[in-house]
Amino acid sequence: ETGVTQTPRHLVMGMTNKKSLKCEQHLGHNAMYWYKQSAKKPLELMFVYSLEERVENNSVPSRFSPECPNSSHLFLHLHTLQPEDSALYLCASSQVMGGANGYTFGSGTRLTVV
Amino acid sequence: GQQLNQSPQSMFIQEGEDVSMNCTSSSIFNTWLWYKQDPGEGPVLLIALYKAGELTSNGRLTAQFGITRKDSFLNISASIPSDVGIYFCAGPTGTASKLTFGTGTRLQVTL
Repeated sequence: ETGVTQTPRHLVMGMTNKKSLKCEQHLGHNAMYWYKQSAKKPLELMFVYSLEERVENNSVPSRFSPECPNSSHLFLHLHTLQPEDSALYLCASSQVMGGANGYTFGSGTRLTVV
Repeated sequence: GQQLNQSPQSMFIQEGEDVSMNCTSSSIFNTWLWYKQDPGEGPVLLIALYKAGELTSNGRLTAQFGITRKDSFLNISASIPSDVGIYFCAGPTGTASKLTFGTGTRLQVTL
């Protein structure tokens, strides 16, 4: 499998649930990112990891908890979410941090919080 | 923070028409990237621009890096139904640890 793979593609969860989003890249890239895409809003950067170290946390609420166990995998752990957290969550990777050569995105996880 | 404003916000065009959209910033960019997002998918990189004044093509798509380095343009010639989607501009910002994305231009193509 090539590119950036995100699972699950769709997720419905209650406000008291705990779930995790998974991202895997098969490109040998050194940086990985989580973005949130809400309707009618620009893509919002959430977290940046470079060589498995978190280098940016863009004022994201603590109910979102990222984990990067190795350079190929990135997780987003979710707990006690709010309905306004419903969105498309996109994972991306790039050869080097900053993405001047562009990011490769996954297909996203469509999250609905009920 | 830096913002990238795209216009128009949305376009409804007929198949076969040419399309033009632009992206502007209050700050200088050294790199401009154009992405397309199909419905239900993640954005895909279309064209990358690295030099002021640069004009680069990818099939029916042509993008230009504005000479002021504060804007970029994307043109699509002879549009087809599969051109439907949201087009985003982007550029490295801040400490260059991330890409900032524009507000997007939503394109609809009618037969």
